Amino acid sequence: KNQVEQSPQSLIILEGKNCTLQCNYTVSPFSNLRWYKQDTGRGPVSLTIMTFSENTKSNGRYTATLDADTKQSSLHITASQLSDSASYICVVSDGSYDKVIFGPGTSLSVIP
Amino acid sequence: DAGITQSPRHKVTETGTPVTLRCHQTENHRYMYWYRQDPGHGLRLIHYSYGVKDTDKGEVSDGYSVSRSKTEDFLLTLESATSSQTSVYFCAISESKFRELFFGEGSRLTVL
Repeated sequence: KNQVEQSPQSLIILEGKNCTLQCNYTVSPFSNLRWYKQDTGRGPVSLTIMTFSENTKSNGRYTATLDADTKQSSLHITASQLSDSASYICVVSDGSYDKVIFGPGTSLSVIP
Repeated sequence: DAGITQSPRHKVTETGTPVTLRCHQTENHRYMYWYRQDPGHGLRLIHYSYGVKDTDKGEVSDGYSVSRSKTEDFLLTLESATSSQTSVYFCAISESKFRELFFGEGSRLTVL
């Protein structure tokens, strides 16, 4: 069964600290992996997208990594800010219309 | 921000009543999707459209129907709402099935 799992479920960190969120997937075949940020009460917004051949991609303070062999991805946030408080969702696609599998998300709280 | 408007943003209704949610886009994207988001679950695809009058079912389509008579509008209809359909509904658009998804702000539906 195609699945996307994320850990931890929730995380609290101090402002200015770094953190890493994990994503494991069993989706096959694999087309791309995306990380989305979802602020409370808003729709998800794309942070990064990686294909099979890419193993690192950055977007400002966000760096995503992908290991297609072990089917794992991570999202590293550097020097966290209060505005980073959100849910971070890992999404894996096999390239078809309906096989875009969303993970349950990791809820991140950044506190002063 | 992608030009996606969902309406209504909030709705409370009673079991057995029909409900229609509207998604309107100004991006002229070919693909449109309806997802639902529930606590503890990732976003789940209800229906999608790959062109005017071209639609197909997603993972959780039972109890829902859709219509797309114009490129810019994608309607989601609950013919007879049930309490299990209480959820937050997100519309998304994309230029192609390999491009990133852009989400609307969501429609919160409560069925009493």
